[in-house]
Amino acid sequence: SQQGEEDPQALSIQEGENATMNCSYKTSINNLQWYRQNSGRGLVHLILIRSNEREKHSGRLRVTLDTSKKSSSLLITASRAADTASYFCASAGTASKLTFGTGTRLQVTL
Amino acid sequence: NAGVTQTPKFQVLKTGQSMTLQCAQDMNHEYMSWYRQDPGMGLRLIHYSVGAGITDQGEVPNGYNVSRSTTEDFPLRLLSAAPSQTSVYFCASSYLGSDLAQYFGPGTRLLVL
Repeated sequence: SQQGEEDPQALSIQEGENATMNCSYKTSINNLQWYRQNSGRGLVHLILIRSNEREKHSGRLRVTLDTSKKSSSLLITASRAADTASYFCASAGTASKLTFGTGTRLQVTL
Repeated sequence: NAGVTQTPKFQVLKTGQSMTLQCAQDMNHEYMSWYRQDPGMGLRLIHYSVGAGITDQGEVPNGYNVSRSTTEDFPLRLLSAAPSQTSVYFCASSYLGSDLAQYFGPGTRLLVL
């Protein structure tokens, strides 16, 4: 399987804290994407970072990419209860395909 | 725009039955794809298409067929359902020039008995 892996598998934090989740992938990429999935719903695209970028910000999201280690991290700052969801990374290689990681379940409690 | 729509939302099949999962998008996206999501496995690509008349296999294509006769529609056919095909199926679409940043449908939950 070419699937990437994410860690931790599950993360529980309190509202206002930062949440960091990590993703590893296996092959060379053009870009790395992060998606959110609320329970029972489809995935929603959050942010994309290209292979020649090292860091990208969007609102409370910060993504880093280390192509030498084939890894990426997603930081959500000042988490809210509404951020409770599963988060998936997806790597886009030279072929027209996305390869998803196994996901991190984030629980933000009040 | 309705975005990406999928029907049905839920389906129960008996082993050996066939069915078609429907997917449509109204965003004029060239790229469409089908994934299955199983617990602990993330999403796995079944088939994808980069335009009308063009389809290709993903990571787990066995037991599934697709066709792309129009830009809008990308149906997924299960030829002879097996219990191993019990899963949640997601259709997604994107512009080819968008680095494959995908819009997902709401999913079809399939149970094969």
